[in-house]
Amino acid sequence: KQEVTQIPAALSVPEGENLVLNCSFTDSAIYNLQWFRQDPGKGLTSLLLIQSSQREQTSGRLNASLDKSSGRSTLYIAASQPGDSATYLCAVIRGLGGGADGLTFGKGTHLIIQP
Amino acid sequence: DAGVIQSPRHEVTEMGQEVTLRCKPISGHNSLFWYRQTMMRGLELLIYFNNNVPIDDSGMPEDRFSAKMPNASFSTLKIQPSEPRDSAVYFCASSRQRNTEAFFGQGTRLTVV
Repeated sequence: KQEVTQIPAALSVPEGENLVLNCSFTDSAIYNLQWFRQDPGKGLTSLLLIQSSQREQTSGRLNASLDKSSGRSTLYIAASQPGDSATYLCAVIRGLGGGADGLTFGKGTHLIIQP
Repeated sequence: DAGVIQSPRHEVTEMGQEVTLRCKPISGHNSLFWYRQTMMRGLELLIYFNNNVPIDDSGMPEDRFSAKMPNASFSTLKIQPSEPRDSAVYFCASSRQRNTEAFFGQGTRLTVV
């Protein structure tokens, strides 16, 4: 059974810092990996999708990398801003050929950017 | 596109009552997913549909839970009878195909008292 772990569970940093959020998964047979942002009381906003054949994806100040063989992904946030404060969730989709489809989520990293 | 639309946003009901949650996926998306989020267990997949057909309902916790997708633009998740432990936020998500980028609705916060 696929398990997704996110470290750290919570992080508080001053505005302007560059930071890295970590995600690991136990079964490397994934189809793709998706990073989401969730604001309190809100739904999930898709940030980046990395297909299993890709190594990284970039969107603005966000960069996500994927190392499928080691079962790891990182989300890099450059020049953090107070508006980046949210919970960041990592989720993987299993590869075709076995097991359930749909996303398996980590528990998230609760990020606070101090002004 | 308005995105995935869920209703109601909040639902408070008494134990034993029937609860129906509704979802309208993004037009053109062939896959629809229902998830449940709790503090203890995080986000869990309950059931997903592909082309309106239920593919995997192994995440549905009990027979009290049922889901339908009568057409490509509408799905329901029903709990009958509801129990306090069903209290959670229920999310609906859709994607163009079964393993492509998923888009989530705003969720329904269910409280069973």
